[in-house]
Amino acid sequence: EVQLVETGGGLIQPGGSLRLSCAASGFTVSSNYMSWVRQAPGKGLEWVSVIYSGGSTYYADSVKGRFTISRDNSKNTLYLQMNSLRAEDTAVYYCAREYQGYYYYMDVWGKGTTVTVSS
Amino acid sequence: DIQMTQSPSSLSASVGDRVTITCRASQSISSYLNWYQQKPGKAPKLLIYAASSLQSGVPSRFSGSGSGTDFTLTISSLQPEDFATYYCQQSYSTPGFTFGPGTKVDIK
Repeated sequence: EVQLVETGGGLIQPGGSLRLSCAASGFTVSSNYMSWVRQAPGKGLEWVSVIYSGGSTYYADSVKGRFTISRDNSKNTLYLQMNSLRAEDTAVYYCAREYQGYYYYMDVWGKGTTVTVSS
Repeated sequence: DIQMTQSPSSLSASVGDRVTITCRASQSISSYLNWYQQKPGKAPKLLIYAASSLQSGVPSRFSGSGSGTDFTLTISSLQPEDFATYYCQQSYSTPGFTFGPGTKVDIK
């Protein structure tokens, strides 16, 4: 079964760091484009970051320079290292697989992990 | 950056109603438009990709249309399990696929 499971969320003080993990099963992370998408409480969906199968990485302006996306091929796991966290980073963080054919879409999603940035 | 808008932001409907949600892009995105359904406390679920292609396993009462800048999601006969928030997403401009602000469909 194709599945994504996020872990690593929690309560963290402003300025702190947190690393989110997204373990995949049923497919290979390194062969796919993988994204992080977040949703602040009561708000819509916001794309955060993507790592391409070739290893290129991209970030939303709101997190550039503070967040780092990476993967461990041996563990088939995607990561999001979040530094210098701010209150506005409080959200549910989802990892998602980006299907890349002629058209592109996010076809597999994890259930999400909650990050709360508060003192 | 491509901006996405949706209308209405919310609507109330009854079981059996035909429901239409509109999504507009700030520039032409051809057919690079996806629709997702999200229920409270759950992850988004892909419904429609490439503007009009139904994702495997999605009921046929869902349909999508449009190209360029204007798109619609139609639910032909609303079912109790369809009460949710619906998001459009452009996948024309990469990286970073922009989502619309969402349309909440609730029970009248």
